[in-house]
Amino acid sequence: KAGVTQTPRYLIKTRGQQVTLSCSPISGHRSVSWYQQTPGQGLQFLFEYFSETQRNKGNFPGRFSGRQFSNSRSEMNVSTLELGDSALYLCASSFNGPQHDNEQFFGPGTRLTVL
Amino acid sequence: GEDVEQSLFLSVREGDSSVINCTYTDSSSTYLYWYKQEPGAGLQLLTYIFSNMDMKQDQRLTVLLNKKDKHLSLRIADTQTGDSAIYFCAESPGDKLIFGTGTRLQVFP
Repeated sequence: KAGVTQTPRYLIKTRGQQVTLSCSPISGHRSVSWYQQTPGQGLQFLFEYFSETQRNKGNFPGRFSGRQFSNSRSEMNVSTLELGDSALYLCASSFNGPQHDNEQFFGPGTRLTVL
Repeated sequence: GEDVEQSLFLSVREGDSSVINCTYTDSSSTYLYWYKQEPGAGLQLLTYIFSNMDMKQDQRLTVLLNKKDKHLSLRIADTQTGDSAIYFCAESPGDKLIFGTGTRLQVFP
């Protein structure tokens, strides 16, 4: 069974631009969560989608948004990029969601650099 | 509030036991987790413990939970060089995970 895939793996953008990251969950998984990992702030929860609905949201500005499609694939979008948005963005999928005893599988991440 | 704390570094000799500690704040977490992150890779779930347990053993891994003190620990027996990585504990208040700062474990021969 294929794991969680994220595209692209690396991305370089400039301030003010916008970016879209993609995550394909494991087949059959309906929950997709997004996390931002930076050296200063560590791993922070962005949002979680389940069956095309945003079920939970972290404390990030409205420039960060996401969506989930009927096939459970998810995208996250960051508009008006700032230098501080440079980070590793991790996506995780699970069958029911992170609160349950079913394992959350993480993708390898997308490394975003904002210049 | 939601805050999970870990020490930043741990260095052990190959063959010794490693103990990584974590304190958390949310007593409503049903499960507490330990994840491992190797360089350039995503996170891998190592183990988790249900909040009504105080110990869980899984091969070389032992998780201890002190709910009164909100303290979680991960013991790795017979630590190997392949165990060198960053280890994150996480609590789960609601449908999200709150991660600790991560502990970098370095294993030397």
